[in-house]
This record gives sequence, C-alpha cells and structure tokens, in this order.
Amino acid sequence: GQSLEQPSEVTAVEGAIVQINCTYQTSGFYGLSWYQQHDGGAPTFLSYNGLDGLEETGRFSSFLSRSDSYGYLLLQELQMKDSASYFCAGVSGGYQKVTFGTGTKLQVIP
Amino acid sequence: EAGVTQFPSHSVIEKGQTVTLRCDPISGHDNLYWYRRVMGKEIKFLLHFVKESKQDESGMPNNRFLAERTGGTYSTLKVQPAELEDSGVYFCASSQIKDVTEATEQFFGPGTRLTVL
Repeated sequence: GQSLEQPSEVTAVEGAIVQINCTYQTSGFYGLSWYQQHDGGAPTFLSYNGLDGLEETGRFSSFLSRSDSYGYLLLQELQMKDSASYFCAGVSGGYQKVTFGTGTKLQVIP
Repeated sequence: EAGVTQFPSHSVIEKGQTVTLRCDPISGHDNLYWYRRVMGKEIKFLLHFVKESKQDESGMPNNRFLAERTGGTYSTLKVQPAELEDSGVYFCASSQIKDVTEATEQFFGPGTRLTVL
C-alpha cells in the first residue's frame, strides 16, 4: 500500500515563503506530483519530480529525496490567491497509479 | 481542446436510490481515474482504467459501486443502492500514458457533488 503524510494546515503571510512537506511510504514509487485545489474546484497539477532534486516553475518549486522518502513544495512571494489545499501525490506502477496525500490547507494572511 | 467533463455537477438523492455519474476524459487519454473527496478530507483513489480495462479497482468501497468504460472512451460510475456515507465530491481525471520519468499530469474534471439524504 501507499501512504503520504502532510501537515493539515499552514498559515503564512502575503509576500513570504512557505514550505509544505510530504513524507511517503510507497511500493513501486516512481515520482511525486503536487496539486492545488481551491474550495469547490478541481485539483490542478503544479509539478512533478521524477528524479531527486529541485524543480522550479515560476514562484513554485518542488523537491524530492528518494533516500529520505520526502518531498516538499515551496511557494515564494505568496499571494492571497495561493490560499488553497495542496496535495502531494505519489506516482507508482507501470500504469501510473496516483495516490494522494492527506492534503495541506494553506491560508495566506495580509 | 476540451477538458475533462463530468455530469451531473450536483446530485441529491435519497438513501436507497441509484445514481450514475458520467465522465468524459480528454480525447486520446488512455488513463482514466475516479476519486472521491469526502468532507474536505483527502482525495481518495477509487479506480483506474487503462483504455477499457480496469487496471486497479482496489479503492472501490464495496460492491454497491460499479464503474464501466465502454469502448475506452467515457466512463460511468454507478452507486446502487446509495447510502448516506456515499456523499462527497466525485472527481474524474485522465492522463496520457508516458514514461515514468516524465511529468505525469492528471487533468481533473470539475467533479460531481453527490448528496445522499
């Protein structure tokens, strides 16, 4: 089976930097994705780490360390619109099964 | 290009009734997934189709849930008979089959909000 754990809630100030951690226990693990979900909306893809290291996409960066079974999403220059739930998701198996983490609700305050 | 669509957007039914949810994936996407999010909690995997075949249905709660994907195109998820605990938002997602080192982006539909009274 697979399990991915995240902090349930994080609060950060507008303009600041926040890191959302994800630890996982999976079999047949290939990589880690991150998704954003606003209340009432569909999850949207942010990033994917198929290899160890840092991936940067604009204000968002994601990191993976397979040896530590750990990854994180880094959001810089926080904006109010970044308030949402963020999910890490483990990709495994030859047909890319995706298992979502417990989710982190990020609140950005002025 | 059209995204993933789901129908209906909302459904309110009484316990014991039957409901069928439909998902139309992005054209050409062989992977199709069903998920459920209950009470703002985690997004729970239900099952995964590759084309018309069920690749993994380990997340299906019980035999009251039946999913099909005829011809490898759209998919339906039927709940019969519905119970109170089936309430939640059911998401469908699709993706292309890629090498696992590549970004495996799943495209989600807007979801169907199911309320069982």
